[in-house]
Amino acid sequence: GQQLNQSPQSMFIQEGEDVSMNCTSSSIFNTWLWYKQDPGEGPVLLIALYKAGELTSNGRLTAQFGITRKDSFLNISASIPSDVGIYFCAGRSYASGGSYIPTFGRGTSLIVHP
Amino acid sequence: KAGVTQTPRYLIKTRGQQVTLSCSPISGHRSVSWYQQTPGQGLQFLFEYFSETQRNKGNFPGRFSGRQFSNSRSEMNVSTLELGDSALYLCASRYTSGTRGDTQYFGPGTRLTVL
Repeated sequence: GQQLNQSPQSMFIQEGEDVSMNCTSSSIFNTWLWYKQDPGEGPVLLIALYKAGELTSNGRLTAQFGITRKDSFLNISASIPSDVGIYFCAGRSYASGGSYIPTFGRGTSLIVHP
Repeated sequence: KAGVTQTPRYLIKTRGQQVTLSCSPISGHRSVSWYQQTPGQGLQFLFEYFSETQRNKGNFPGRFSGRQFSNSRSEMNVSTLELGDSALYLCASRYTSGTRGDTQYFGPGTRLTVL
């Protein structure tokens, strides 16, 4: 089956620092998604990418859909304490049942020290 | 607009029992997907329902089943529980199934512990 390698597994940074995480896949995806999950909650969609090479921003977050369609990265600039959480990437491809099924990375745990 | 709701939020069962989890999607959403989240395997797709029909199924044994009602509410059932079934079960809804730009919204999950 499809595999997503997300790195780093965890990050410990100081408030104000920039953060970068990425996902690579052995397969091509039609869509790349980035989610954040807070403790006790479900994942919340941060950024969706639909085209190879696409670069999209959402406030301090920037994500890119790799040219090969097998990778994506997420950058967070000027981190703040509320950025703490687990960030997941997900690649989505079209399934035979007529729907898009996402494959998730294992997550990057981000801790921001004030 | 109310978000995706899941009940119960926490559940403790013993091996061999069965369990039913419930999910109410966002009003107007017709697609409901279920995921299992564990520290070891991460987030894994279980199945998706759209208009009361199962559209896709992940790689899980037949002990895992689900259904969707005419009001789009969904239930998933796990029979003959095993210790490895302990996980956070997440439900997600979206308006349609198959639309590229269709955002999927997750509920808070049901934390199942099997003893």
